[in-house]
Amino acid sequence: SQQGEEDPQALSIQEGENATMNCSYKTSINNLQWYRQNSGRGLVHLILIRSNEREKHSGRLRVTLDTSKKSSSLLITASRAADTASYFCATHNAGGTSYGKLTFGQGTILTVHP
Amino acid sequence: GAGVSQSPRYKVAKRGQDVALRCDPISGHVSLFWYQQALGQGPEFLTYFQNEAQLDKSGLPSDRFFAERPEGSVSTLKIQRTQQEDSAVYLCASSPWTGSVYQPQHFGDGTRLSIL
Repeated sequence: SQQGEEDPQALSIQEGENATMNCSYKTSINNLQWYRQNSGRGLVHLILIRSNEREKHSGRLRVTLDTSKKSSSLLITASRAADTASYFCATHNAGGTSYGKLTFGQGTILTVHP
Repeated sequence: GAGVSQSPRYKVAKRGQDVALRCDPISGHVSLFWYQQALGQGPEFLTYFQNEAQLDKSGLPSDRFFAERPEGSVSTLKIQRTQQEDSAVYLCASSPWTGSVYQPQHFGDGTRLSIL
């Protein structure tokens, strides 16, 4: 079963704009990860944030985590047409396995128009 | 270096047939995961291997699904007596070691299975 929901389900923006995607989850977590999936391809890991972290940056990506609200956001700044893809959050639940079993959200489809 | 490789990329089968999907993880990766991804959904966990040991098969939908990794490298997911609801993309992922939850998973491009 899916861990939670992502919002919005679809996002359409112009190149150069920022894109923000949100993820909510239901249980306590050890960490939350964001993945990207191009059409017809596998998932590519973008960033991991631990439960004791509140914000993390990687290049044009900024991830925040609010464990009190059980939510996370992914911000992509200065978007490019090549950022067009589906974006998924995934959680490793606290008290769960030691081997990193992930529970994924339903994803946000991002379209960046040139 | 080579990433995770899955074959075939596409598989069409008639209802009731058996299918076998192959995953070649990144060399040396201890952990191997199988996920099922329905159209428009996120991946859902099926099963996990640590080397050759299948430690978690809690996500397998029914006893028609069987996975193995006999030598701790290549893995095969087998589905017997396929049904239309088995139509999905099957993704394989690997990660270097076990015992840490703070590591990314490396995914293959998946096998798209269509049951007619």
